[in-house]
Order: sequence, then structure tokens, then C-alpha cells
Amino acid sequence: ILNVEQSPQSLHVQEGDSTNFTCSFPSSNFYALHWYRWETAKSPEALFVMTLNGDEKKKGRISATLNTKEGYSYLYIKGSQPEDSATYLCAFINSNDYKLSFGAGTTVTVRA
Amino acid sequence: DTGVSQDPRHKITKRGQNVTFRCDPISEHNRLYWYRQTLGQGPEFLTYFQNEAQLEKSRLLSDRFSAERPKGSFSTLEIQRTEQGDSAMYLCASSPPSVTGGIGGYTFGSGTRLTVV
Repeated sequence: ILNVEQSPQSLHVQEGDSTNFTCSFPSSNFYALHWYRWETAKSPEALFVMTLNGDEKKKGRISATLNTKEGYSYLYIKGSQPEDSATYLCAFINSNDYKLSFGAGTTVTVRA
Repeated sequence: DTGVSQDPRHKITKRGQNVTFRCDPISEHNRLYWYRQTLGQGPEFLTYFQNEAQLEKSRLLSDRFSAERPKGSFSTLEIQRTEQGDSAMYLCASSPPSVTGGIGGYTFGSGTRLTVV
């Protein structure tokens, strides 16, 4: 079982504020990292697939960075809006078995 | 194609009963995955198919669980003699033939929430 940890477990953000949270994963046998957004009663939606150390990806107000050598990724939300409220899951793919191992998620609640 | 669909969305069953869930993946995707998520945890891998072949099963998948993907299209996950510990969200995902899930990652369904009483 691969240890993928996300912190914090939950956070509350005021509308308009920016926030970020962390995913840590094993630094050995890295193959890829995924970020998903999971809104209540909906499907988890892929945000980013990251494969290279130093990768930075952006989708609207959401961006992510990747450090494979130290085993962490940050997800940033700029100018949070109520529609950003969701659970954000990261998932690590290792080069041994190519299976997706998920963290427990960070649940973001944006207050209007 | 409207994405991955799962049926039913919710299932309440009595302990000891059998249940079956269905997943219809994106038609161009040849890989199909089943995950289980319990409260406070991330999704855990159960099994995956490439076309109709079941290539891997997790140790989490006891002999009460069986999955099929006849003809490499939709898939079913059956749980026999359900136990209260089987209560969870069962998620299905599909992807093109890439270990990273392609540039778009995996496409998930909305899940089937099972409650065993």
C-alpha cells in the first residue's frame, strides 16, 4: 500500500481569498500524479495529469506544481468562488504496477 | 457519449443478500477500473479490465466479489452475501490505453452508494 497523504483534511475559505493544499507521495518509482475535483453527488473530474518534475499546470483559477524529487505537489486556488467547494483528490501512479493510489482528499468549503 | 454511467446510484440491501452494480464506460476507452471508497478514505483500487480481460484484482476483493466485462463493453460488479463492512461508494472509471490515463486522466462515473443494513 503506497502512502499518499493530503493535508489539510478540510479547509474553509472566504470567497475571493486564495488557498493551497498539499499532496505528498513516495519520491521513488514516480510515474505520474493526478489531481481530481469531486463535487458532492457528481463524478470525480480530472484536473491535471502531471508527469515531469517541476511541472506546473493551470486551469482557470486552479494551478498545480509538482516536485517528484521530494515527493509533493501543491494545488492552488486563486480568488476562491463558491463553485470551487469540493473534495480535491490527488492520486499517485508508481512505475512498478502503474496503479492509481489515492490520498484521502482535501475538502474545500468556500464561504460567500 | 455522455461519460461513464453507473447504475444504480444508491442501493440499500439486507445483510446476506447479493447485489450487482453496472458500469457503462466511454465507448472508446478499453480500460475499465473499479474502486471502493469508504468514509474518510480515498478511493481504493479493486480491479481493472483491459477490453474483456480482467488483468488485476486487489486483495480487497474477497471471493464474495466478482467482476465481469463481457465483450469488453459494460462491466458488472457483484457482491454475494453482503456484509455491513461492504457499505461504501463503488466507483467505476475508464481510460484510453495509457498507464497515465492519457492526458485527460481517468473518467469516473458518479458511483453507486451501497448501504448494507
